[in-house]
Amino acid sequence: EAGVTQSPTHLIKTRGQQVTLRCSPISGHTSVYWYQQALGLGLQFLLWYDEGEERNRGNFPPRFSGRQFPNYSSELNVNALELEDSALYLCASSLRRLAGGPVRELFFGEGSRLTVL
Amino acid sequence: TQLLEQSPQFLSIQEGENLTVYCNSSSVFSSLQWYRQEPGEGPVLLVTVVTGGEVKKLKRLTFQFGDARKDSSLHITAAQPGDTGLYLCAGARRSRDAGNMLTFGGGTRLMVKP
Repeated sequence: EAGVTQSPTHLIKTRGQQVTLRCSPISGHTSVYWYQQALGLGLQFLLWYDEGEERNRGNFPPRFSGRQFPNYSSELNVNALELEDSALYLCASSLRRLAGGPVRELFFGEGSRLTVL
Repeated sequence: TQLLEQSPQFLSIQEGENLTVYCNSSSVFSSLQWYRQEPGEGPVLLVTVVTGGEVKKLKRLTFQFGDARKDSSLHITAAQPGDTGLYLCAGARRSRDAGNMLTFGGGTRLMVKP
Protein backbone atom coordinates (compact mmCIF):
# COMPACT_ATOMS: atom_id res chain seq x y z
CA GLU A 1 0.00 0.00 0.00
CA ALA A 2 1.39 3.38 -1.00
CA GLY A 3 2.18 5.79 1.79
CA VAL A 4 1.65 9.53 1.89
CA THR A 5 3.36 11.16 -1.06
CA GLN A 6 4.44 14.77 -1.30
CA SER A 7 5.78 16.88 -4.13
CA PRO A 8 8.08 18.50 -4.84
CA THR A 9 10.71 17.11 -2.48
CA HIS A 10 12.93 20.17 -2.69
CA LEU A 11 12.45 23.65 -4.06
CA ILE A 12 14.14 27.02 -3.93
CA LYS A 13 12.24 30.29 -4.16
CA THR A 14 13.02 33.93 -3.66
CA ARG A 15 11.34 36.37 -1.32
CA GLY A 16 7.92 37.52 -2.51
CA GLN A 17 7.28 34.50 -4.70
CA GLN A 18 4.47 32.02 -4.26
CA VAL A 19 4.68 28.25 -3.82
CA THR A 20 2.26 25.33 -4.04
CA LEU A 21 3.00 22.05 -2.29
CA ARG A 22 1.06 18.88 -2.97
CA CYS A 23 0.09 15.86 -0.89
CA SER A 24 -1.60 12.56 -1.68
CA PRO A 25 -2.92 10.74 1.39
CA ILE A 26 -3.04 7.02 2.00
CA SER A 27 -5.99 5.44 0.25
CA GLY A 28 -9.02 5.47 2.56
CA HIS A 29 -7.80 8.36 4.68
CA THR A 30 -10.05 11.40 4.57
CA SER A 31 -8.09 13.70 6.89
CA VAL A 32 -5.00 15.62 5.84
CA TYR A 33 -2.80 17.66 8.16
CA TRP A 34 -0.05 20.11 7.24
CA TYR A 35 2.84 20.88 9.56
CA GLN A 36 5.86 23.15 9.31
CA GLN A 37 9.17 21.90 10.69
CA ALA A 38 11.98 24.41 10.90
CA LEU A 39 15.62 23.47 11.53
CA GLY A 40 14.79 19.81 12.20
CA LEU A 41 13.00 20.69 15.39
CA GLY A 42 9.40 20.32 16.51
CA LEU A 43 6.41 20.48 14.20
CA GLN A 44 4.11 23.48 14.08
CA PHE A 45 0.50 22.78 13.07
CA LEU A 46 -0.62 24.62 9.95
CA LEU A 47 -3.90 23.25 8.61
CA TRP A 48 -6.32 20.37 8.93
CA TYR A 49 -8.65 19.27 6.14
CA ASP A 50 -11.33 16.63 6.29
CA GLU A 51 -13.91 15.73 3.66
CA GLY A 52 -12.88 18.69 1.53
CA GLU A 53 -13.29 21.31 4.23
CA GLU A 54 -10.82 23.25 6.35
CA ARG A 55 -11.48 22.13 9.94
CA ASN A 56 -8.82 24.10 11.78
CA ARG A 57 -5.74 26.19 11.21
CA GLY A 58 -2.74 26.98 13.34
CA ASN A 59 -1.27 30.33 14.29
CA PHE A 60 0.02 31.25 10.85
CA PRO A 61 -0.75 34.33 8.72
CA PRO A 62 -3.43 34.20 6.00
CA ARG A 63 -0.80 33.94 3.27
CA PHE A 64 -0.66 30.27 4.25
CA SER A 65 -3.69 28.59 2.74
CA GLY A 66 -4.71 25.35 1.15
CA ARG A 67 -7.46 23.12 -0.03
CA GLN A 68 -8.52 19.52 -0.21
CA PHE A 69 -9.84 17.96 -3.37
CA PRO A 70 -12.67 15.40 -3.79
CA ASN A 71 -10.08 12.60 -3.99
CA TYR A 72 -8.75 13.82 -0.58
CA SER A 73 -5.44 15.01 -1.97
CA SER A 74 -4.41 18.42 -0.74
CA GLU A 75 -2.42 21.52 -1.64
CA LEU A 76 -0.65 24.00 0.58
CA ASN A 77 -0.14 27.47 -0.86
CA VAL A 78 2.19 30.05 0.56
CA ASN A 79 2.08 33.56 -0.89
CA ALA A 80 4.55 36.41 -0.53
CA LEU A 81 7.32 34.12 0.68
CA GLU A 82 9.56 35.35 3.47
CA LEU A 83 12.98 34.10 4.51
CA GLU A 84 11.57 32.55 7.69
CA ASP A 85 9.26 30.35 5.62
CA SER A 86 12.29 28.19 4.85
CA ALA A 87 11.40 24.85 6.40
CA LEU A 88 10.35 21.29 5.83
CA TYR A 89 6.62 21.11 5.14
CA LEU A 90 5.13 17.82 6.22
CA CYS A 91 1.79 16.40 5.21
CA ALA A 92 0.10 13.63 7.17
CA SER A 93 -3.05 11.64 6.67
CA SER A 94 -5.19 9.61 9.04
CA LEU A 95 -8.45 7.84 9.44
CA ARG A 96 -11.16 9.92 11.05
CA ARG A 97 -11.08 9.94 14.84
CA LEU A 98 -14.11 8.31 16.44
CA ALA A 99 -16.21 10.48 18.77
CA GLY A 100 -14.76 10.14 22.26
CA GLY A 101 -12.05 7.84 21.00
CA PRO A 102 -8.27 8.12 21.26
CA VAL A 103 -6.24 10.00 18.71
CA ARG A 104 -5.41 8.06 15.57
CA GLU A 105 -1.98 7.54 14.10
CA LEU A 106 -0.76 10.20 11.70
CA PHE A 107 1.08 8.85 8.67
CA PHE A 108 3.58 11.38 7.39
CA GLY A 109 5.08 11.91 4.00
CA GLU A 110 8.77 12.66 3.57
CA GLY A 111 8.07 16.35 3.26
CA SER A 112 8.82 19.20 0.90
CA ARG A 113 11.92 21.15 1.80
CA LEU A 114 11.48 24.81 0.91
CA THR A 115 14.37 27.24 0.83
CA VAL A 116 13.60 30.93 0.47
CA LEU A 117 16.49 33.13 -0.64
CA THR B 1 -2.18 27.46 23.40
CA GLN B 2 -1.07 24.10 24.74
CA LEU B 3 2.68 23.74 24.88
CA LEU B 4 4.73 20.61 25.21
CA GLU B 5 8.30 20.99 26.39
CA GLN B 6 10.80 18.25 25.77
CA SER B 7 14.09 17.75 27.53
CA PRO B 8 16.86 17.38 26.82
CA GLN B 9 16.96 18.96 23.38
CA PHE B 10 20.12 17.09 22.42
CA LEU B 11 21.62 13.89 23.77
CA SER B 12 24.78 12.13 22.66
CA ILE B 13 25.58 8.83 24.36
CA GLN B 14 27.60 5.68 23.88
CA GLU B 15 26.10 2.42 22.76
CA GLY B 16 24.82 0.43 25.72
CA GLU B 17 23.90 3.40 27.91
CA ASN B 18 20.42 4.10 29.22
CA LEU B 19 18.56 7.37 28.72
CA THR B 20 15.29 9.09 29.52
CA VAL B 21 13.53 11.80 27.52
CA TYR B 22 10.88 13.95 29.17
CA CYS B 23 7.80 15.65 27.77
CA ASN B 24 6.02 18.13 30.03
CA SER B 25 3.01 20.42 29.82
CA SER B 26 0.80 22.48 32.07
CA SER B 27 -2.21 21.26 30.11
CA VAL B 28 -4.06 17.97 30.21
CA PHE B 29 -4.10 15.82 27.10
CA SER B 30 -6.60 13.11 26.31
CA SER B 31 -3.85 11.04 24.74
CA LEU B 32 -0.20 11.40 23.91
CA GLN B 33 1.92 9.94 21.18
CA TRP B 34 5.64 9.50 20.62
CA TYR B 35 7.09 9.64 17.14
CA ARG B 36 10.61 9.08 15.82
CA GLN B 37 11.95 10.89 12.79
CA GLU B 38 15.07 9.95 10.87
CA PRO B 39 16.88 12.29 8.47
CA GLY B 40 15.05 12.79 5.20
CA GLU B 41 11.91 11.09 6.42
CA GLY B 42 8.66 12.00 8.11
CA PRO B 43 7.94 11.08 11.74
CA VAL B 44 6.80 7.53 12.43
CA LEU B 45 4.54 6.62 15.33
CA LEU B 46 6.11 4.61 18.16
CA VAL B 47 3.29 4.51 20.70
CA THR B 48 0.02 6.05 21.87
CA VAL B 49 -0.77 6.33 25.58
CA VAL B 50 -4.27 7.13 26.73
CA THR B 51 -4.73 6.39 30.41
CA GLY B 52 -3.07 8.35 33.22
CA GLY B 53 -0.26 6.27 34.70
CA GLU B 54 -0.17 3.98 31.68
CA VAL B 55 3.12 2.26 30.88
CA LYS B 56 3.84 0.72 27.49
CA LYS B 57 6.91 -1.19 26.40
CA LEU B 58 8.24 -1.56 22.89
CA LYS B 59 11.30 -3.80 23.05
CA ARG B 60 13.95 -1.65 24.79
CA LEU B 61 11.72 1.44 24.87
CA THR B 62 9.43 2.15 27.84
CA PHE B 63 6.83 4.88 27.63
CA GLN B 64 4.93 6.31 30.58
CA PHE B 65 1.99 8.70 30.71
CA GLY B 66 1.78 10.82 33.86
CA ASP B 67 -1.05 10.22 36.31
CA ALA B 68 -2.51 13.66 35.56
CA ARG B 69 -2.01 13.19 31.78
CA LYS B 70 0.17 16.31 31.61
CA ASP B 71 3.54 14.67 31.09
CA SER B 72 5.22 11.64 29.64
CA SER B 73 8.61 9.99 29.51
CA LEU B 74 10.49 7.73 27.16
CA HIS B 75 13.19 5.48 28.57
CA ILE B 76 15.58 3.58 26.35
CA THR B 77 17.58 0.72 27.81
CA ALA B 78 20.94 -0.25 26.33
CA ALA B 79 20.76 2.24 23.48
CA GLN B 80 21.98 1.16 20.06
CA PRO B 81 23.15 3.22 17.06
CA GLY B 82 19.88 2.34 15.35
CA ASP B 83 18.05 4.37 18.01
CA THR B 84 19.60 7.56 16.64
CA GLY B 85 17.00 10.05 15.52
CA LEU B 86 14.66 12.86 16.53
CA TYR B 87 12.11 11.84 19.16
CA LEU B 88 8.91 13.85 19.25
CA CYS B 89 6.10 13.77 21.75
CA ALA B 90 2.68 14.97 20.64
CA GLY B 91 -0.48 15.59 22.62
CA ALA B 92 -4.09 15.41 21.52
CA ARG B 93 -6.98 17.32 23.04
CA ARG B 94 -10.23 15.80 24.19
CA SER B 95 -12.64 17.51 21.84
CA ARG B 96 -15.39 16.43 19.54
CA ASP B 97 -13.97 18.52 16.72
CA ALA B 98 -10.23 18.13 17.35
CA GLY B 99 -9.84 15.26 14.96
CA ASN B 100 -6.30 13.95 15.12
CA MET B 101 -4.78 17.40 15.49
CA LEU B 102 -1.59 17.14 17.54
CA THR B 103 0.52 19.61 19.46
CA PHE B 104 4.15 18.59 19.10
CA GLY B 105 7.01 19.12 21.48
CA GLY B 106 10.26 20.63 20.29
CA GLY B 107 11.90 17.24 19.94
CA THR B 108 14.93 15.48 21.42
CA ARG B 109 17.73 14.73 19.03
CA LEU B 110 19.46 11.52 20.10
CA MET B 111 22.79 10.30 18.80
CA VAL B 112 24.06 6.90 19.89
CA LYS B 113 27.72 6.34 19.13
CA PRO B 114 29.05 2.82 18.51
